Amino acid sequence: GAGVSQSPRYKVAKRGQDVALRCDPISGHVSLFWYQQALGQGPEFLTYFQNEAQLDKSGLPSDRFFAERPEGSVSTLKIQRTQQEDSAVYLCASSRDSNYGYTFGSGTRLTVV
Amino acid sequence: DQQVKQNSPSLSVQEGRISILNCDYTNSMFDYFLWYKKYPAEGPTFLISISSIKDKNEDGRFTVFLNKSAKHLSLHIVPSQPGDSAVYFCAAFSGGGADGLTFGKGTHLIIQP
Repeated sequence: GAGVSQSPRYKVAKRGQDVALRCDPISGHVSLFWYQQALGQGPEFLTYFQNEAQLDKSGLPSDRFFAERPEGSVSTLKIQRTQQEDSAVYLCASSRDSNYGYTFGSGTRLTVV
Repeated sequence: DQQVKQNSPSLSVQEGRISILNCDYTNSMFDYFLWYKKYPAEGPTFLISISSIKDKNEDGRFTVFLNKSAKHLSLHIVPSQPGDSAVYFCAAFSGGGADGLTFGKGTHLIIQP
């Protein structure tokens, strides 16, 4: 597609519920990143894929967070047993090669109640 | 500890004047810096970048200056236009470090007519 597409745009989850956030990167983009942006903060790095390989997951805040990209295109970020502190906008970005100037999606705003 | 700092949460500039957004960093391993622009309910959009081997990069109305000794960079927008009103994020990357970008908290630029 023309841009990075994320779904859903908004998600309200009850505390303890599992959620799955989807990212469709730009076709042909090798690198895919997930970021978490809390209110009033800049985006914070969660994890990075190169094709289907998850090369860095150092930013995932706990083992409740899990990301996958099984076929090297679409990626899913899963959060198990959501907590209120998980409320944030989750941004996905992709790039043709590495970090430089990659393209972000519009994000999924997750609210845990 | 914040490795990338944008100390001005907001900045108001008159249309036609120069906007100067500042960013400081603490990690001397950072070797690539980027500026992103973000409108409400959209993902950040890449604006301009600079490598640590340069001290200036220009693209149309946008110029980024890097002062490595002071660990400081700035984004100049001249002349400022109403469409420039947005949140601007400074981000940094270390080629030898983690694969994600480290972002500042952002500066909300408001262009007044």
